[in-house]
Amino acid sequence: AQSVTQPDIHITVSEGASLELRCNYSYGATPYLFWYVQSPGQGLQLLLKYFSGDTLVQGIKGFEAEFKRSQSSFNLRKPSVHWSDAAEYFCAVNTGGFKTIFGAGTRLFVKA
Amino acid sequence: EPEVTQTPSHQVTQMGQEVILRCVPISNHLYFYWYRQILGQKVEFLVSFYNNEISEKSEIFDDQFSVERPDGSNFTLKIRSTKLEDSAMYFCASRAGGANTGELFFGEGSRLTVL
Repeated sequence: AQSVTQPDIHITVSEGASLELRCNYSYGATPYLFWYVQSPGQGLQLLLKYFSGDTLVQGIKGFEAEFKRSQSSFNLRKPSVHWSDAAEYFCAVNTGGFKTIFGAGTRLFVKA
Repeated sequence: EPEVTQTPSHQVTQMGQEVILRCVPISNHLYFYWYRQILGQKVEFLVSFYNNEISEKSEIFDDQFSVERPDGSNFTLKIRSTKLEDSAMYFCASRAGGANTGELFFGEGSRLTVL
């Protein structure tokens, strides 16, 4: 069965610093990959998605993610973090069925 | 911009009571979902619904749970006899038709507290 692993439960970065959130998946083929963000008390909002083609995908709010087949990874990056980026970030996978499954999430703290 | 709406935003109930959580998905979407997030934990898939029937469900979605799309606009999750461990945030999501590459659009959630 497919699975999604986000190894970091929480990460703290300084405002203006770069950010990378890790995501690894377990699946025999290339799944559909997503990153969602959840602000406190809010639902989940899609940041970006990967289906095929260019392995570097751009999303909203200045985020990007790179799919690396050899590492089964889909890490999320941002060159310069803003205080408003503090939130919980979820990596998600769909292997072509009805179900999209989510990782455990990484909570991002931004310090001034 | 179209959005998924959920009611109530917060419900407190006694153990053993029935609860119905309501969702209005985006109007032209065809796939509907319920997810659950226990406080501080991961977002867990409960059930997907397509063409007026359950298409997939998780092991969490036992006989105490049911879903319904009674009138072509609402999508409801019913918990027949709530347990303490059902306390969680419940998210409804919907997706447009086509391949499963589509984005899930989430509502803001219904927080259920079982006492």
